[in-house]
Amino acid sequence: EADIYQTPRYLVIGTGKKITLECSQTMGHDKMYWYQQDPGMELHLIHYSYGVNSTEKGDLSSESTVSRIRTEHFPLTLESARPSHTSQYLCASSDILGGKAFFGQGTRLTVV
Amino acid sequence: GENVEQHPSTLSVQEGDSAVIKCTYSDSASNYFPWYKQELGKRPQLIIDIRSNVGEKKDQRIAVTLNKTAKHFSLHITETQPEDSAVYFCAAKDNQGGKLIFGQGTELSVKP
Repeated sequence: EADIYQTPRYLVIGTGKKITLECSQTMGHDKMYWYQQDPGMELHLIHYSYGVNSTEKGDLSSESTVSRIRTEHFPLTLESARPSHTSQYLCASSDILGGKAFFGQGTRLTVV
Repeated sequence: GENVEQHPSTLSVQEGDSAVIKCTYSDSASNYFPWYKQELGKRPQLIIDIRSNVGEKKDQRIAVTLNKTAKHFSLHITETQPEDSAVYFCAAKDNQGGKLIFGQGTELSVKP
């Protein structure tokens, strides 16, 4: 079944650790996005990609980085995690027209 | 870039009543406006969308209206049920590359 998969679902790590949040989609979509969301709160766009080798920063400044080497894969990396990075990270994808976007289950990150 | 404002932030209605959530957008060139429902602990799910070439769209108990001149669009839920309780997000597709920019969210509570 076509879907968007995020791993891990939950992650608790110590300050200063490097982490990568995985996002893969089998929707055949060109566009992919990362949103940051605190519980029940606004969805802030932090990164997006129009296709392979295309990445842009979103409206909310983030210390994370992303890569898009394969169409279906859009990982997000934090080089040195801090407590301020504690949040939920949602990955999404949409077709080339940028219309209907579908979300993954999210990764809930806690940095202690 | 696009900016989306959503009101109210919380909305409480009695079961069977109607609920209306309103959004305004800033970029007159935006042409796609989806609505998402996010239940507690789950991912946002697309529930209805509208493109700028139509003024209204309906799907069973939910409808969306769009006023391009005033740059606002609204979600209408009729005959509300307790399972409609969730956070609802509006969004507008940024004409500069097709990013989806979200409103702040509305927490809808339907009391039985």
